[in-house]
This record gives sequence, structure tokens and C-alpha cells, in this order.
Amino acid sequence: GQNIDQPTEMTATEGAIVQINCTYQTSGFNGLFWYQQHAGEAPTFLSYNVLDGLEEKGRFSSFLSRSKGYSYLLLKELQMKDSASYLCAVGDSNYQLIWGAGTKLIIKP
Amino acid sequence: IAGITQAPTSQILAAGRRMTLRCTQDMRHNAMYWYRQDLGLGLRLIHYSNTAGTTGKGEVPDGYSVSRANTDDFPLTLASAVPSQTSVYFCASSRKAGGPETQYFGPGTRLLVL
Repeated sequence: GQNIDQPTEMTATEGAIVQINCTYQTSGFNGLFWYQQHAGEAPTFLSYNVLDGLEEKGRFSSFLSRSKGYSYLLLKELQMKDSASYLCAVGDSNYQLIWGAGTKLIIKP
Repeated sequence: IAGITQAPTSQILAAGRRMTLRCTQDMRHNAMYWYRQDLGLGLRLIHYSNTAGTTGKGEVPDGYSVSRANTDDFPLTLASAVPSQTSVYFCASSRKAGGPETQYFGPGTRLLVL
């Protein structure tokens, strides 16, 4: 079967760094996406990894290890507006996205 | 219009009624998707369309139908609503199918079936 695992909820402090992990087992692999979803809103694209390694984009970075079926999203200098759910999604052999349930990130002052 | 729009924003529906959720995009994207999002579960694909005139079944297609008469519109129909179809429905589009394309989402329709 196909499976994406993420922690359900994480809490961090404003100004700190947080790492959100994602492990996956899918039929085929065609890239891994991270999306951000604020409560009551639509998911919005954050990052895409298809090769192993770290992709940095401002305060957000995403890492991929295909051999381990593992990715993480790293958020630096946390701001209150980063309070949201973070969704991990993997492209399968048919290029359809398989989605994790999301990690709700709570930022405390 | 900029991006993807969905209508209605929310709806309360009696079980057994027929309902069409509307989705329109102005980005000239070839591929479009319908997902449902339920608490504690990931987004689940209901139906998709790789290009105008074609549709395909996703992970949870039962009880739903779609059509793609043109590039811009991708309506989702519930023929006879049941309470288990209570969910938030998101329409999405991507530039093309068959590749690792970023998907862009509409604002969602919140549906309650009683």
C-alpha cells in the first residue's frame, strides 16, 4: 500500500527553528512536495524535491533522502504567521499526489 | 478571475439531494483535480482530468461524477448525497498532467450532508 507519515501536531516558540518530518512508502516516486495550509484556507505550494539533498528557499528549507523514504521541512526564525498545517505529498508512479494527513504547527510567543 | 474559484463556499444539503460543486480556473491549465479533505486524513483524490474531454477516477470516486467540457470548468456532482460525503472539497489544477507539476488549489467548498 501507499503511506505517508507525519507527526500530527508540533509546538515551537517564535524565533526558534522547527523540523517537520515526513516518511513515505509509495508505488514509484516522482518528487515530494510540501504545502502550507492555514486553518480554513486552501493549501499553497512551498517546495519540491526530486533529488537527494537540501533545497533552501528563504526561511524554509526542504530535505530529501530517496533511499530512506524520508523528507523534512525546516522552518527558521519562526513567526506567528507560520502557525498552520504543513502537508507532505509524494508523486506516485502515475504522477498522482499521495498526501499525508498534515502536521499542525503551533507557534507560541 | 485570478486562479481558481469554487462555488458555493459552503452548503448544507439534505441526504438524497443532488448537488453540483463548481470549479473554474483561468490559468489555462490542462489538468484539474477534485479532492476531499477530512479531519485526520490526507487529501484524497476523487476524480481528475488530464485535459479537456477526458476524466479519470481517483482514490474515492464512488458517489461522485465529473465532466470536463472545456479547459476552464470542472464541475463535481453528487448524484444522491449521503452523510459520509460531509467534507471540505478542494478543486485544484496544474499546468499539465504526467509530470511532477505543482498543483494550485481553489478556496474550497464546505459541505454538510444531513
